[in-house]
Amino acid sequence: DTGVSQDPRHKITKRGQNVTFRCDPISEHNRLYWYRQTLGQGPEFLTYFQNEAQLEKSRLLSDRFSAERPKGSFSTLEIQRTEQGDSAMYLCASSPPSVWGYTFGSGTRLTVV
Amino acid sequence: GQNIDQPTEMTATEGAIVQINCTYQTSGFNGLFWYQQHAGEAPTFLSYNVLDGLEEKGRFSSFLSRSKGYSYLLLKELQMKDSASYLCAVNGGNNRLAFGKGNQVVVIP
Repeated sequence: DTGVSQDPRHKITKRGQNVTFRCDPISEHNRLYWYRQTLGQGPEFLTYFQNEAQLEKSRLLSDRFSAERPKGSFSTLEIQRTEQGDSAMYLCASSPPSVWGYTFGSGTRLTVV
Repeated sequence: GQNIDQPTEMTATEGAIVQINCTYQTSGFNGLFWYQQHAGEAPTFLSYNVLDGLEEKGRFSSFLSRSKGYSYLLLKELQMKDSASYLCAVNGGNNRLAFGKGNQVVVIP
């Protein structure tokens, strides 16, 4: 297992289109997190899964955003009707049950034009 | 709620020592983390403090005072590759990390 994988690395989309990102966590990690990071800012929490259960969602996650982790393994984050303000780096992280610390994926950089 | 504050940028010379401060206000506390992030890359874990005191790991050390809501990361013998953003993050006891904005360190020859 080589760490947390995210796909795609880069995505350019037109405003109004839908996009979906995928995250494959470290296999023995049951916790999975999505964060968003804009230039010059720290990562902002979006949502968190423990196994397949989505336990918490940030106020930042408007109704255009949805995340799933159907079998407690990989996760997807979908953004519907993208807006220019959605342009950011979307980071996925996973951790084991002890939450000693996260391991981050390389991120998906979204540009909405 | 959670509030994590870090200075934004500092410049230091190769071989020097630099200290990056972080203050936090959280309703709960279950550990403070430092991450390094190079431009365009994901954050990578540097250190973790849950008890007061200094944790040393090679050229990097991290200090925590829970009563003061304060931590610092000490980088010794700076190298050019240490040019990066350094993120302070707190586990507020709710199974997730809240990050500060990061401190950009620029190392010059």
